[in-house]
Parts: sequence; structure tokens; C-alpha cells
Amino acid sequence: QVQLVESGGGVVQPGRSLRLSCAASGFIFSSYVIYWVRQAPGKGLEWVATISHDGRNKYYADSVKGRLTISRDNSKNTLYLQMNSLRAEDTAVYYCARDRWTPEAGGGMDVWGQGTTVTVSS
Amino acid sequence: NFMLTQPHSLSESPGKTVTISCTRSSGSIASNYVHWFQQRPGSSPTTVIYENNQRPSGVPRRFSGSIDSSSNSASLTISGLKTEDEADYYCQSYDNTNRNWVFGGGTKLTVL
Repeated sequence: QVQLVESGGGVVQPGRSLRLSCAASGFIFSSYVIYWVRQAPGKGLEWVATISHDGRNKYYADSVKGRLTISRDNSKNTLYLQMNSLRAEDTAVYYCARDRWTPEAGGGMDVWGQGTTVTVSS
Repeated sequence: NFMLTQPHSLSESPGKTVTISCTRSSGSIASNYVHWFQQRPGSSPTTVIYENNQRPSGVPRRFSGSIDSSSNSASLTISGLKTEDEADYYCQSYDNTNRNWVFGGGTKLTVL
């Protein structure tokens, strides 16, 4: 079945780095726009980053620009989020999600992973 | 960037109808599709309405969506409320100018 599975979360000190992964299965990964969306404890959903189906175009929320980098390896059906210079405010559950449309974005997020938790604390 | 504003919380009784609003702060609500997500505690979000008024397969007909240009807002209406509808609901749209994807702050729906 269509599935996204995140991994790589954990506890990390402020200023350190972490890389999240999102493994896709059950669909043609290379045809879809993919998102990272996060949710801080007790808070709402926050869009983090978007990557085009071919990886050429990337978009970031202002809050993460210059520190977080989205990438994908279509040969491995995997999405990544490289997180550098982490701050306490980056503490959240990170979800990857697929766009409903192909190959462009616009149809909303129709498949979500279960999320991976990142805690930034000394 | 524009903002999407939702009521923080709503409460209604089983069997009743509730409408959750999502007001766009600038630019036309009709400029970009609005999508609605349901999130139950401890679970990932799921889509209940996409492209303003489309229901994914498996979502009951009790869920409907619309947009209103006069109030520059989108609405999610749930009729015949059930206790299982108790959840957080988020609207989401796209900002062409800044190439940002925008979520509303979420509405906590209580059914009791």
C-alpha cells in the first residue's frame, strides 16, 4: 500500500545536526512533490519545506531557511531533511507528506507518514 | 505571506451541525485551493476535504467544504456530528507570491 515512513529523530543538543529520512513505498516516488511538515508539542501544523518531483526545486519556510535542507534520492525512494544549527524551537514531530497531484504541487497533502520526533535540548 | 485564521475551539452536541471557518488575511480565497485535515490525538493528519469541496474516498458525506469570496473565507461543515468527529481540524492553502504553503492555526472540535 502507499506508505511513507519517517526515521532519524532523537534528542540533540542546540547547535548540533540531525538528518531525517522518509522512505516511500507503494507508489512511483519520482513522480510526486513531497513535503516536510512539523508540529511542536501542543501546537498546530507548520509547513517546513517542499521539494519538486525531480529534486530541482526546493522551497523553505522562513523559520528554517539556511539551516534545514530538503533533498531526495529517487533511486532509493527516499526523502531527507538535513537539520543543522538546531534550536530549541525546532523541537517537534516531523512528518513527510505527498502531494495529491503529479508531477506538480497543488492538490494538498494526501499521504502522511507517522512522524518522527526531534527534541532539541541541552 | 497571508494568514489563515480559524476559531481556536468549537463545541457541539452529537447529531448537530458545525461549521469551521478559515479566513484568509490578504489576497483572494479563491486564488488557491483550500484543503482541510483532521488530526485525532496521537495520530497523523488525514484529508477530509481537498480542492475546496472534494471529499476523498472513505470520508463520509457528512463532511463538506466551500469557499465564500464575500467573506474571503473557506468553511468545513460537518453534519450529523458523531463523537468520533472530535479532533483538531486544519485548513491549508498555497501562497503563490512567496511560494509558501500555509496552515491555519487549527480548531479543536469537541463533540459532547
